[in-house]
Amino acid sequence: ILNVEQSPQSLHVQEGDSTNFTCSFPSSNFYALHWYRWETAKSPEALFVMTLNGDEKKKGRISATLNTKEGYSYLYIKGSQPEDSATYLCAFSGSARQLTFGSGTQLTVLP
Amino acid sequence: DAGVIQSPRHEVTEMGQEVTLRCKPISGHDYLFWYRQTMMRGLELLIYFNNNVPIDDSGMPEDRFSAKMPNASFSTLKIQPSEPRDSAVYFCASSLDTSGATDTQYFGPGTRLTVL
Repeated sequence: ILNVEQSPQSLHVQEGDSTNFTCSFPSSNFYALHWYRWETAKSPEALFVMTLNGDEKKKGRISATLNTKEGYSYLYIKGSQPEDSATYLCAFSGSARQLTFGSGTQLTVLP
Repeated sequence: DAGVIQSPRHEVTEMGQEVTLRCKPISGHDYLFWYRQTMMRGLELLIYFNNNVPIDDSGMPEDRFSAKMPNASFSTLKIQPSEPRDSAVYFCASSLDTSGATDTQYFGPGTRLTVL
């Protein structure tokens, strides 16, 4: 059983604050690390796919980094807005070539 | 493209009844995945298909669950007989190619199943 862990489980921040959270995954047999954004009552929406150690991806105010040697990825949100409120999921792909999801970090941005 | 389409969006049924969930993947996508989302276990993969062929069904909880993909544009997940513990949101996702699993999976809106 692959262990993909995300922390914190939930997070409340004020509008305008920057925040970050962590995804830990096995450092062996790595293929890719995916980040998804999941709003309540909607379906998960892809943010990034990261494959190389040291990868950094950015989409607007959201960015992510990847360390495959030590098995972690960080997701950063700069200047959080209420519309950023969602659950952020990471998913690890190893030799099985399928995604194993973490339990997510639930972000609430307070106006 | 309309994205991944799932039906029904909500299903309420009684224990023992057969339930069929449907999925239409994005046209041209070679891979189709069925996931189940529960509070206890999060989002877990049940089965996935490549070019209509089931590749890995190790996540299917038991024999009451079955999935088919008769053609490239349609898949079903069937539960027979259904039990209250099957209550969950079932997602279907598709992707172009998962060699190395680097391709994005696009999720449908999900089917919320309640078994009374």
